[in-house]
Amino acid sequence: AQSVTQLDSQVPVFEEAPVELRCNYSSSVSVYLFWYVQYPNQGLQLLLKYLSGSTLVKGINGFEAEFNKSQTSFHLRKPSVHISDTAEYFCAVSRSGGSYIPTFGRGTSLIVHP
Amino acid sequence: KAGVTQTPRYLIKTRGQQVTLSCSPISGHRSVSWYQQTPGQGLQFLFEYFSETQRNKGNFPGRFSGRQFSNSRSEMNVSTLELGDSALYLCASSLGGAGTSGITDTQYFGPGTRLTVL
Repeated sequence: AQSVTQLDSQVPVFEEAPVELRCNYSSSVSVYLFWYVQYPNQGLQLLLKYLSGSTLVKGINGFEAEFNKSQTSFHLRKPSVHISDTAEYFCAVSRSGGSYIPTFGRGTSLIVHP
Repeated sequence: KAGVTQTPRYLIKTRGQQVTLSCSPISGHRSVSWYQQTPGQGLQFLFEYFSETQRNKGNFPGRFSGRQFSNSRSEMNVSTLELGDSALYLCASSLGGAGTSGITDTQYFGPGTRLTVL
């Protein structure tokens, strides 16, 4: 079984500042990792995913994440945030080589202040 | 290209009733997955259908069931509703390739159906 811990439930930040949303996972097998964003009253949108290869993954809207196997982390970063990035962010994990049955973290609310 | 549509968007039911939610995937997508989102339990995977067959299943009781039609549209049914079933139910579609269940495919989510059980 896998589990995901998103270390911060809420992250306030000023516009144009950098941000890092932290995600740690636990699994006895190899995993795939995902970050999703959910804007108010909307469904989820995939930001990026790590399946294999380079541990630095670039996604949409200027986000990137780095897979660190030794620390079992997959932190999400953006060098300069905008007001429009205000949303809920979810980290998810799924067993690699198998079916896509994701386990989600509890989410981090990113609040961007002007 | 039209996105994933879910109907109805809002629903109010009482305990003991049953409910059916509908999801129309993006044209050409053959995989449909369902998720439950609650403040208490967060986001949880319910099940996935591909080519009218349930391919994957999360850890939910048998009261939660689904099906997929030949046009890839999917329905989810919850019988004997409980207060704890109040949630946002999200549907997502993807191309759904073979092999590792299309894990390399991107899922596209609908806006969800907000179910309130009184």
